[in-house]
Order: sequence, then C-alpha cells, then structure tokens
Amino acid sequence: NAGVTQTPKFQVLKTGQSMTLQCAQDMNHEYMSWYRQDPGMGLRLIHYSVGAGITDQGEVPNGYNVSRSTTEDFPLRLLSAAPSQTSVYFCASRLTGGGETQYFGPGTRLLVL
Amino acid sequence: AQSVTQLGSHVSVSEGALVLLRCNYSSSVPPYLFWYVQYPNQGLQLLLKYTSAATLVKGINGFEAEFKKSETSFHLTKPSAHMSDAAEYFCAVRGGGGADGLTFGKGTHLIIQP
Repeated sequence: NAGVTQTPKFQVLKTGQSMTLQCAQDMNHEYMSWYRQDPGMGLRLIHYSVGAGITDQGEVPNGYNVSRSTTEDFPLRLLSAAPSQTSVYFCASRLTGGGETQYFGPGTRLLVL
Repeated sequence: AQSVTQLGSHVSVSEGALVLLRCNYSSSVPPYLFWYVQYPNQGLQLLLKYTSAATLVKGINGFEAEFKKSETSFHLTKPSAHMSDAAEYFCAVRGGGGADGLTFGKGTHLIIQP
C-alpha cells in the first residue's frame, strides 16, 4: 500500500491564482480530511469527508473548496490564493469510528506571494 | 467542543534522561487521545493512542502515555532519551464519533542535548 499520497510537494503561487492540491489513499478509508499547519498553531482542520459525495467544513474552511467523487481521492481547491494561505497542507484518512488511527500524507508546502 | 493544551513549546533534555511531554485536554464526551510525532519536513506518524481500554498505553520507539481522567491529562513519557527522538510532538483529541476531526495541540519541540 502506498498509504496517503499528496501532490505536489511544493508549490509557489501568486496572489489570485488558483490551484488544486491532490490527495489519494489506497486503504479504502471512508473518512478523509485536510489540515493546514502553521508555526506555533498545530494543525487545524479545513474540510473533511465521511464518504464519496459527502463533505463538510472544519475549523478554517474559508478560501478552500473540496469535493469527493470517489473513495480514493479528496482534492483541495484554492480558487483565489492569498498570502494568508501560505502554509503546509496535510491530507489524512482513516476508517470511521472515533478510535481509529488517522494516517497522514507527506504534506504540500505552499507559498503564496 | 474540545481543546488540547501542550505545556511548553520547547523541551530540552539530555541524552539518556527522562522525557516528559505534557498534554491536557477538554472534551464534553469521553475522549479518544493521540500522540503524533513529526520529523523535519515529514508528515505525522502515530506514536500511540488511548481508546478507553487500558489507561497506560504503550507506543512505538519506547514511548508510553497514561490517561488520567481526574486530571484530564495524557502526558507522554520515555525513560531514556535518544538523539533520534528529536522532533515535534503533537497531542490530539477526538471527542465524538465517526465525523469528528482531530483537535491538535500547538506542539512541543523536543531537543536532545548530547
């Protein structure tokens, strides 16, 4: 199993540009989520999905869109990038159930100029 | 609502000394608690988790944590620090069912002095 994969690893954008961060998992996990990590802030939940066709907002959803058309993929879209979205983004997946382990991807480092 | 407080953004210990990283949580329902480790420029790796079974939980790399409900704590310990333990450590809580995300603490950077 490849686990959770993310592309790209690093991206530089100009303010106002759009892009999609890709996330895929091959563990047949129902639950997938996106977090952003900022220095001294820990990780904060952006959006999550409990299955194909179902998404919901987390703690910091503004400026981000998601969709879930398949179990495997959960892309994160920035429609108009802002410098405040400079961060490291992590995708994660797990089985449903409160005690299930959440597996994280390697992250995408995004710089918005 | 749930929250996590990690005391100390940086903790420095000597190689071979006890490692103690503190985590306190708040949750309106019985919690699931997790410790993750992050090495530089990498993703997060699970160290251990508490899921309402044994209150003393053993994890990978010699780490363990004890769930203390009366103190709302889940401190991480390791008897003898190694240089390879230098990393960022995150405590996280999940207070509900299948739709709940993890709420993370702000992290503790562990420094190992030779």
